[in-house]
Amino acid sequence: EDQVTQSPEALRLQEGESSSLNCSYTVSGLRGLFWYRQDPGKGPEFLFTLYSAGEEKEKERLKATLTKKESFLHITAPKPEDSATYLCGTGGGNKLTFGTGTQLKVEL
Amino acid sequence: NAGVTQTPKFRILKIGQSMTLQCAQDMNHNYMYWYRQDPGMGLKLIYYSVGAGITDKGEVPNGYNVSRSTTEDFPLRLELAAPSQTSVYFCASRSGTGGSYNSPLHFGNGTRLTVT
Repeated sequence: EDQVTQSPEALRLQEGESSSLNCSYTVSGLRGLFWYRQDPGKGPEFLFTLYSAGEEKEKERLKATLTKKESFLHITAPKPEDSATYLCGTGGGNKLTFGTGTQLKVEL
Repeated sequence: NAGVTQTPKFRILKIGQSMTLQCAQDMNHNYMYWYRQDPGMGLKLIYYSVGAGITDKGEVPNGYNVSRSTTEDFPLRLELAAPSQTSVYFCASRSGTGGSYNSPLHFGNGTRLTVT
């Protein structure tokens, strides 16, 4: 059975304080590791897809990396507008498995 | 661009009542999905469809039904609502063909359902 575990559950940062979110996975046949951002009261919004170990993708202050067992979402010099829940998901076919998310709060 | 539109945004049901959650997408996507999201539990797949007339069960299908008569619409039916169905329901769609999961999901903004 596919499993995705995210840590920490919650993270509080000061503006400008860089950190990383973790997504560990065990799947039979990786067909993409996805990162989404979810704001309160909204649906998840797509950020990145990673396909193979060693791959990296960046978007503004976010960089996602992938190894054979986990993915990291690095947040460099975060701003309050980066506050959200970050979800990762992976799997094969049509049965994407999501983690429970990391709730990020960035304070001034 | 509307993307994925879900209605209603909020609903309160009494135990045993029925309702249909509506989902429409204007991106001509073949694949559509229904998820439920409970606090601390992540997103769980209820049903999905790979095209008009084709649907299949996900991880938690009991108590729900779906139909897909057009490419645009994918309604979710709750029969005999139970308190365990209190949740936030998200509809999503994606482009692409085949069984791979390469194209990203586009989500609606959800329907918050309370069953009392």
